Amino acid sequence: TQLLEQSPQFLSIQEGENLTVYCNSSSVFSSLQWYRQEPGEGPVLLVTVVTGGEVKKLKRLTFQFGDARKDSSLHITAAQPGDTGLYLCAGPQGTDKLIFGTGTRLQVFP
Amino acid sequence: EPEVTQTPSHQVTQMGQEVILRCVPISNHLYFYWYRQILGQKVEFLVSFYNNEISEKSEIFDDQFSVERPDGSNFTLKIRSTKLEDSAMYFCASHRGGETQYFGPGTRLLVL
Repeated sequence: TQLLEQSPQFLSIQEGENLTVYCNSSSVFSSLQWYRQEPGEGPVLLVTVVTGGEVKKLKRLTFQFGDARKDSSLHITAAQPGDTGLYLCAGPQGTDKLIFGTGTRLQVFP
Repeated sequence: EPEVTQTPSHQVTQMGQEVILRCVPISNHLYFYWYRQILGQKVEFLVSFYNNEISEKSEIFDDQFSVERPDGSNFTLKIRSTKLEDSAMYFCASHRGGETQYFGPGTRLLVL
């Protein structure tokens, strides 16, 4: 069974700081998705990375897929209170179901 | 932008009662899923559905669960006799054949 481990589990930072969240596995994934989830809501897709070594940018968020396609990172530059939420990585397992990481709960204080 | 919708947003039921959770996937999508998230835990896969049949199901998806696509737009999850441990957020997701799944806002189910 493929597993996705995220670190750190919790992160509390001040507005304006930079941070990096990691998603690691011992297995190769054909792609990884990053989602953000607000309390009581569904996961909202941020990005899908497909190619090993790929880097994608979404405003202040930078996503990287590891060369071996076993890990991914999310870097946020100059975090804002609006970035607060639960960040989830997920990857396809088997035919096409998604398995989710353990999540990183980010709190950005003004 | 089209999105997955789910009803109801919240459902409270007594143990042993039947519940039906409803989803309207994005209209041109072909693959449909149900996931659940127990409070404080990971999002877990329940079942996938394609071409009017279940393509894969997890160990969680036992005989008490069933899914149906009764018409061209709705996708439902039925729990025949709810248990306390079925309390969770239930998410519907869909995609049209790529690897990215789009999730609905969820139904919070509370079994008393």
